[in-house]
Amino acid sequence: EAGVAQSPRYKIIEKRQSVAFWCNPISGHATLYWYQQILGQGPKLLIQFQNNGVVDDSQLPKDRFSAERLKGVDSTLKIQPAKLEDSAVYLCASSFIRGIYEQYFGPGTRLTVT
Amino acid sequence: DQQVKQNSPSLSVQEGRISILNCDYTNSMFDYFLWYKKYPAEGPTFLISISSIKDKNEDGRFTVFLNKSAKHLSLHIVPSQPGDSAVYFCAASARTDSWGKLQFGAGTQVVVTP
Repeated sequence: EAGVAQSPRYKIIEKRQSVAFWCNPISGHATLYWYQQILGQGPKLLIQFQNNGVVDDSQLPKDRFSAERLKGVDSTLKIQPAKLEDSAVYLCASSFIRGIYEQYFGPGTRLTVT
Repeated sequence: DQQVKQNSPSLSVQEGRISILNCDYTNSMFDYFLWYKKYPAEGPTFLISISSIKDKNEDGRFTVFLNKSAKHLSLHIVPSQPGDSAVYFCAASARTDSWGKLQFGAGTQVVVTP
């Protein structure tokens, strides 16, 4: 079974530029999550999708971050414009259905904003 | 507001000995707990979980203990092996949150020495 795919793996941008991350969850997984992991901290949920609908985006900085999951499969997370404090690893995870079930994580995208 | 805390950022243990990782939580609504393991440049992978109706769950060399009155859980690894060197995250969720949102601790870096 293929795991969660993410690209790019690494990205370096200057502040005020925009960036986009892509995630392809495990086939058949209805729930998709985007997490932000700042160095020395645990992953923090940014947004959660159930199929192609948003069920939790309470911690997403909506003035600069946006995400979509068209067709309920793969997803993109965008930052525009980026700030220095956005430097982090962005993790995508998926689970089979909603609720407390094991989440499968991708390898993440390490973003450095200079 | 850090609702899940791992107060030991690092732990060094000799191969063959026991590793004990601790985790504290503040939200009394949490009733399901998970441990994830993370190697460098990889996403976290699920290790073991426990529901609040139990006080112990065992899976091979890994055992998780839950003390609800103290709002404390621990992960025991016996015996520790070099391949166990990784960052371990404690995560918690509330079954009242039907979407399965996880709150993560900051992680504990475990180094197993020969």
